[in-house]
Formats: sequence, C-alpha cells, structure tokens
Amino acid sequence: RKEVEQDPGPFNVPEGATVAFNCTYSNSASQSFFWYRQDCRKEPKLLMSVYSSGNEDGRFTAQLNRASQYISLLIRDSKLSDSATYLCVVNGAGGSYIPTFGRGTSLIVHP
Amino acid sequence: DVKVTQSSRYLVKRTGEKVFLECVQDMDHENMFWYRQDPGLGLRLIYFSYDVKMKEKGDIPEGYSVSREKKERFSLILESASTNQTSMYLCASSLGREPQHFGDGTRLSIL
Repeated sequence: RKEVEQDPGPFNVPEGATVAFNCTYSNSASQSFFWYRQDCRKEPKLLMSVYSSGNEDGRFTAQLNRASQYISLLIRDSKLSDSATYLCVVNGAGGSYIPTFGRGTSLIVHP
Repeated sequence: DVKVTQSSRYLVKRTGEKVFLECVQDMDHENMFWYRQDPGLGLRLIYFSYDVKMKEKGDIPEGYSVSREKKERFSLILESASTNQTSMYLCASSLGREPQHFGDGTRLSIL
C-alpha cells in the first residue's frame, strides 16, 4: 500500500466550480501535512499547511481528519489559473524529517 | 523569503560523463534533499542530508552520490551518466518538519 495516495485525475471542471481533492496516508504517526501546487515543468510550491482545526486561505480550504487518516483540499470559484497538479505531502512519522509526497492530482479548469 | 538556487535550468551531457548538479539555499536550513521527477512516477528521493557532511540514501540512490561540505550547498553527482538518468532534478531545503522549499529544477538530458 502506498504511504500517501491521491486520485491522479484529471479533474476537469468549468470556471466558477467548486472542486475537492482527498489524500489518504497510511502512517498514523505522521505529524505535518501540506498541500503543494505544481505547474507543468515547474517546481512544486507550497500552497498551504494543513492543521487539525482546518484552515482557509481565500478560495482554498484544507482539512485534516486524523481518525480516518486523510487530508482534503477544497477550491471554491475555480479560476483558469488554478489548473495545475496538487501534491499532498505528509511528514514527521517516527521522528523523520523526510516528507512523503503523493503523486499528485491534476486539475484542469476550462472556460 | 527562502531562496533555493540550482546551478542550471537545462543541461545536456553525454553518456559516461561525470555530472555535477549544484544547489544553494540562503536560509540556514539543516535539511537538504535531491529528487528526480519523471512523468507518472512523481517525486522520488535520491539523497537527503540533515547536516554538513551527513547524508542518507533515499529511495533511488544507485548511480548517484552527494556532497555537503557547507551547510548552504548540497551537490548531486552522477558518477558516470547514463541515458536512464535523463530527468528533471529538484533540490529542496527545510527546517525540521516545516515545509520544503524547492529550487527551479534542472532538466538534464543524457545523450
């Protein structure tokens, strides 16, 4: 079983739509959680950290469910510029500083 | 803002050459990482360093070595380049379990 699993998509949505991605992780001792965004042929960039209480940054909301071992990302009012691959990252299990990346979920927002 | 700088955006080398990829970060981060990213395979960790002169093998270290003589610089070495090492190489740095920051990436082609 992969340590961090994501639906690769692509999720194909119209502008203005709300779209949600989930990511499951296998190690219950994981301590840090992040969402990254990666544009085609570019490096991953931190989108937001994910906290147990949930957090929001503009149109983006991230949530962590420790009991079910998943994190989610909700994008409201999708823009064309949101088209990218979204990577789920989990860190800190067993005292490790090596994060585990999911393979990413592809989002395509069309006019 | 954290800056991670990779020495080359694009590099073309020949089979059998020794190839050096350099990475420098300016935020005094202890942890530095080298990944390669290939279509459909996601990010794969090659090597990790948590301190000067310290290194750990990642998931795919074969054919690679690393050097960390100074805290800010982490070098990836392809001892004898082969065509299957054609890839996008990404360097990252982090502090503890905080999010990683990535360089722009090096697109390496081995002919």
